[in-house]
Amino acid sequence: SQQGEEDPQALSIQEGENATMNCSYKTSINNLQWYRQNSGRGLVHLILIRSNEREKHSGRLRVTLDTSKKSSSLLITASRAADTASYFCATSGSRLTFGEGTQLTVNP
Amino acid sequence: GAGVSQSPRYKVAKRGQDVALRCDPISGHVSLFWYQQALGQGPEFLTYFQNEAQLDKSGLPSDRFFAERPEGSVSTLKIQRTQQEDSAVYLCASSSYRFGTSGPGGLFFGEGSRLTVL
Repeated sequence: SQQGEEDPQALSIQEGENATMNCSYKTSINNLQWYRQNSGRGLVHLILIRSNEREKHSGRLRVTLDTSKKSSSLLITASRAADTASYFCATSGSRLTFGEGTQLTVNP
Repeated sequence: GAGVSQSPRYKVAKRGQDVALRCDPISGHVSLFWYQQALGQGPEFLTYFQNEAQLDKSGLPSDRFFAERPEGSVSTLKIQRTQQEDSAVYLCASSSYRFGTSGPGGLFFGEGSRLTVL
């Protein structure tokens, strides 16, 4: 069974807009990670935020973590058509457990 | 190699056949994971190796599923007497990070082996 739940399940935006995806989880974690998966491909690690961190940036990505609410968000700024993919959060405890994912479509 | 390599990329099996899926992790990576991903869903954990030791196999759905990593590098996931519900993409991932500690680390995934059971 999945630990995390992403919201929304699907998101469609125009190129240049920002995309925000949310993740909620249930148990305590060591860290939380975000991955991207293009159709028919493997997952690619994007960013990791530790349980004692509240915000982290990497290029056009911004991740926040609220351990009191057991939630995280991934913001992609100035989106591009190439950002079209499924995005998964994964929580790290004794194993890495993935959510169901958000399907992001960026229209040119 | 430069990344995680999985073979075969596509496998079609008749119900009842045995299949073996291979994973070549990144050289020197201690941790190796197997995940099962159904269409439109997130990856589901199957099993975890630290070097040659299988530390967690709680995600294996039945005793028809067996995984090994005898020399701490290449791993094989074997599915005996395949059923239609075994149809999925099987993903392998490796990491230099020992899970269960609080250190940093993300997983490097292979492209997956897509199994279709007819």
